[in-house]
Amino acid sequence: SFELTQPPSVSVSPGQTATITCSGDNLGNRYVNWYQQKPGQSPVLVIYQDNKRPSGLPERFSGSNSGNTATLTISGTQAMDEADYYCQAWDSTVVFGGGTKLTVL
Amino acid sequence: EVQLVESGGGLVQPGGSLRLSCAASGFTVTSNYMSWVRQAPGKGLQWVSIIYSGGSTYYADSVKGRFTISRDTSKNTLYLQMNSLRSEDTALYYCARDRSTSHDAFDIWGQGTMVTVSS
Repeated sequence: SFELTQPPSVSVSPGQTATITCSGDNLGNRYVNWYQQKPGQSPVLVIYQDNKRPSGLPERFSGSNSGNTATLTISGTQAMDEADYYCQAWDSTVVFGGGTKLTVL
Repeated sequence: EVQLVESGGGLVQPGGSLRLSCAASGFTVTSNYMSWVRQAPGKGLQWVSIIYSGGSTYYADSVKGRFTISRDTSKNTLYLQMNSLRSEDTALYYCARDRSTSHDAFDIWGQGTMVTVSS
């Protein structure tokens, strides 16, 4: 079955660039979506169709997808970006990655 | 305002049943694909079920044959009937709207309703 693999945790200093990866077989042939989830809150869509931002999302969030890896990049990371991030794609069903905890310290 | 509000969660014994509801506002539940996604305590997101705008339904293998997704257009509400519940079904259940009528992203999420399966 199709699986998406994310690193459990990523740390970044404020103002620096955070990079979160999502790996899967030939992932570049599928659209990848990214969600942010803060403690006690519902997930929020931050990137869809690999690299599109929903209206109202800060420009510091960007995405890419090629080969076997999709990447969520947060430029100029702020303390408010500390959260869990999940990638998602479609196979025969919906598939989520295991999630990455982003720590801003 | 586009919004989803879930209800119906609670404590149920193993083998029991529960029906979750997801009331939509600001759009009609038949205009988009609609899904249920769950999150066990301290764990990641797990897709549960989807209903297409045309009415076709699909399920994760872990719930197939036990859960049924449906909708009521007159009430603009999505449902998840859960039977033969197991301890591993304990989770926060979200309903989520697909951005379109294709396999796209989930752009609207409800606040979730908690289901606890325990004796």
